Amino acid sequence: EDQVTQSPEALRLQEGESSSLNCSYTVSGLRGLFWYRQDPGKGPEFLFTLYSAGEEKEKERLKATLTKKESFLHITAPKPEDSATYLCAVQAYGNDMRFGAGTRLTVKP
Amino acid sequence: KAGVTQTPRYLIKTRGQQVTLSCSPISGHRSVSWYQQTPGQGLQFLFEYFSETQRNKGNFPGRFSGRQFSNSRSEMNVSTLELGDSALYLCASSTGNEQYFGPGTRLTVT
Repeated sequence: EDQVTQSPEALRLQEGESSSLNCSYTVSGLRGLFWYRQDPGKGPEFLFTLYSAGEEKEKERLKATLTKKESFLHITAPKPEDSATYLCAVQAYGNDMRFGAGTRLTVKP
Repeated sequence: KAGVTQTPRYLIKTRGQQVTLSCSPISGHRSVSWYQQTPGQGLQFLFEYFSETQRNKGNFPGRFSGRQFSNSRSEMNVSTLELGDSALYLCASSTGNEQYFGPGTRLTVT
């Protein structure tokens, strides 16, 4: 069965303090790994899709990387507006998308 | 381009009633998926529709059903509501791998 585990559950950073969020997964035949950002009371906002090990994608202060067993979301010099819950999801061929429980990030000014 | 829209945004129902939620996908998107999000279980897949056909279904009881119309708009229905059905119901549309979510419908069952 496809599984997604995110760590840590919660992360508190000072503004400017870089860190990484982890997403470990097991899936039979990875079609894609997805990162989303979700603000309270809103739907998830799409960030990245990664398809194969070694792939990296960047957007502003965020960089996502992928290996055969896990993905990292690196946050460089975060700002308070980066505070949100970050969700990771995997999709196998022919299967639905499976989400992790998320990492709740708080960035203090 | 307008995003995914969901109506209503908030709903309060009584146990035993039924409810219908609506989702309008991004223009040109033919796939619509539905998810239930709760604090305890996180985001869980309900079903996916493509060109009016259910393409995939999650592990939910038969009280949860959906349909898609020829204009790609989708509805989901929950019959005989239970207290545990209180959740944020999210709709997402896509043309390929990337799903774009709507703001959700917050359902409270009392």
